[in-house]
Amino acid sequence: SQTIHQWPATLVQPVGSPLSLECTVEGTSNPNLYWYRQAAGRGLQLLFYSVGIGQISSEVPQNLSASRPQDRQFILSSKKLLLSDSGFYLCAWSPGQYSGNTIYFGEGSWLTVV
Amino acid sequence: DAKTTQPNSMESNEEEPVHLPCNHSTISGTDYIHWYRQLPSQGPEYVIHGLTSNVNNRMASLAIAEDRKSSTLILHRATLRDAAVYYCSTGNQFYFGTGTSLTVIP
Repeated sequence: SQTIHQWPATLVQPVGSPLSLECTVEGTSNPNLYWYRQAAGRGLQLLFYSVGIGQISSEVPQNLSASRPQDRQFILSSKKLLLSDSGFYLCAWSPGQYSGNTIYFGEGSWLTVV
Repeated sequence: DAKTTQPNSMESNEEEPVHLPCNHSTISGTDYIHWYRQLPSQGPEYVIHGLTSNVNNRMASLAIAEDRKSSTLILHRATLRDAAVYYCSTGNQFYFGTGTSLTVIP
């Protein structure tokens, strides 16, 4: 069966420090991969999605970036964090771009920028 | 990709049916309608999806309007464990709105 894991689960980072969140998917190949952010009490905001290795689409211009160095690995990064980057970050995957496919979410990572 | 509109919050009494609406007036003809729910501090989980016909599964039912511009998630008997934020989504890129926060009153 397919599983998705992301880490770390929680982190507290000072303003201006770098960020790296990692996500891996097991049990499938060539998945679509997604990064979402959820600010406190807000909905899900799609940040990045990827349909293949090295292929990244950005939905929201900001100081975050994403990379997909391997088929089932998706990394969210920042060189300098802002206070507004605080939130709940979710990695997700789907079997492909067919509209009928379901999306599966990881456990989430809580980021607090202080 | 189509965007969705949902009420911010709804309340229901325990063991009563709940109808959660979603508007997706710009949906294209091939886009499925998906519903997910999110418990506190967890990632969203799949509830149900459909294209044109109404759908039933063990968790819920999905009623899709004939013009497909709206849909309704139906929980037949709300329980306390159904208290969550419910999202509907359409299209290939899985855009989610702000969802509906469902409160279940004992």
